[in-house]
Order: sequence, then structure tokens, then C-alpha cells
Amino acid sequence: EIVLTQSPGTLSLSPGERATLSCRASQTVNNNFLTWYQQKPGQAPRLLIYGASSRATGIPDRFSGSGSGTDFTLTVSRLEPEDFAMYYCQQYGSSPATFGQGTRLDIK
Amino acid sequence: EVQLVQSGGGLVKSGGSLRLSCAASGFTFTSYTMHWVRQAPGKGLEWVSSITSAGSYMYYADSVRGRFTISRDNAKNSLSLQMSSLRAEDTAVYYCARDRGQYNDYEDTFDVWGQGTLVTVSS
Repeated sequence: EIVLTQSPGTLSLSPGERATLSCRASQTVNNNFLTWYQQKPGQAPRLLIYGASSRATGIPDRFSGSGSGTDFTLTVSRLEPEDFAMYYCQQYGSSPATFGQGTRLDIK
Repeated sequence: EVQLVQSGGGLVKSGGSLRLSCAASGFTFTSYTMHWVRQAPGKGLEWVSSITSAGSYMYYADSVRGRFTISRDNAKNSLSLQMSSLRAEDTAVYYCARDRGQYNDYEDTFDVWGQGTLVTVSS
């Protein structure tokens, strides 16, 4: 199965700053079938990005995804207070679908 | 409102059984593949099982195959996960989730989630 490694483990930034989160796959993600989810404490995950770069319904345009092959990035252009959370990447190009271990985005 | 409401879960002894349920509303349930995803305490997410829209095909993670059974009742807009031979490592919050794609275009991406239910397996 494909192993996804997210970095950094924790990212400490201030509101208004730009956040860049990385997700690296152990092998090529077919068709760039890569998603990003946001999860806040005590809540279910929320789909942000699918197909590496397509925003899900209702997701603000400050969230963007990029990358291909084995290297993918989630960028939050200007952090809002509600953006501080855990972020997970997931690949669905090969079975089984697998998740990264997550990046915690903390307020500095 | 599109919604998945979960029930079931709780504390069970190792080797025991438990059934989780998920009631869907606000969308055409019969159009979507449905999934179970779990999250061990303080850990990341793990896909557990999927069932296609008509219930024709079921898929399982290696970690649960042979012990868990996914099913759906399209007449009642409900999804279930029957868990048996439970182990301590099955302790997790279990989420039901809807696939983003419809019918045969399912993707194994999860765009609507239930609220989660905690399953604790004690030794």
C-alpha cells in the first residue's frame, strides 16, 4: 500500500500568514488522486481538496492544492483563526486508500 | 440538510461483538458508495470498509477482513458495520462517510461524515 508522509508534524504560524503543508507518497499517486481534509478537535474531518487541486463545495479560495506524482502541497494563503486544526492528506489512486499521519497547524 | 447520524458503539470486551449504525438523510442514499473510517485515540485516520451503492460489492482493510461485515438497507437509508472478534487495537472513533462520487464513479473520497462513535475494546 502507498505510505503518505506529511511534513512538518507541527506548524506554528500567526493569523494572516501563509501556511504550506507537504504530503509525500512512497510511490506515484495514480491520476493525482490526492485529497486533503481538515479536522478540528472533537469533530469529523472535512473534505477540502480532491484530485490534488480541486476545492470541495463551500471551501474558501484561500485553500489551494497542488502537486503531482509523489509530492503534493496544501497552501492556505492567509490564515484565519478558524484554520488552526489538523490536516490530513489521503490518496485514492490505489487500493487501499491511505492517509498521512497529519500536520497540526497551531497558532503561534 | 445532508446528514449522517450514527448510533451504536460503546465498551466491549476483547473477543466480543458490536454493531454500528448510520442513518442517512437529505440525499439519495441509493446513489452513493458508503464507507467506514476509524481513528484510534490521538492517532490518524484509517479506512475500514466500503459498500457500493446497490450493496453488490464490499471491501475491507486487511486489519478487519474476516471479522467485520459492512451492510446497507437502501429501503431504510441505513448503513451498518457488524464487528466481531474485537481486539484492543480496534479501539477507535468510527465514522461513517459518503463517497464523493455517485454510482460506479465512486472514488474512495469522503465528502459527508457522521459525527463519529467511540468503540472501546477492553482486555
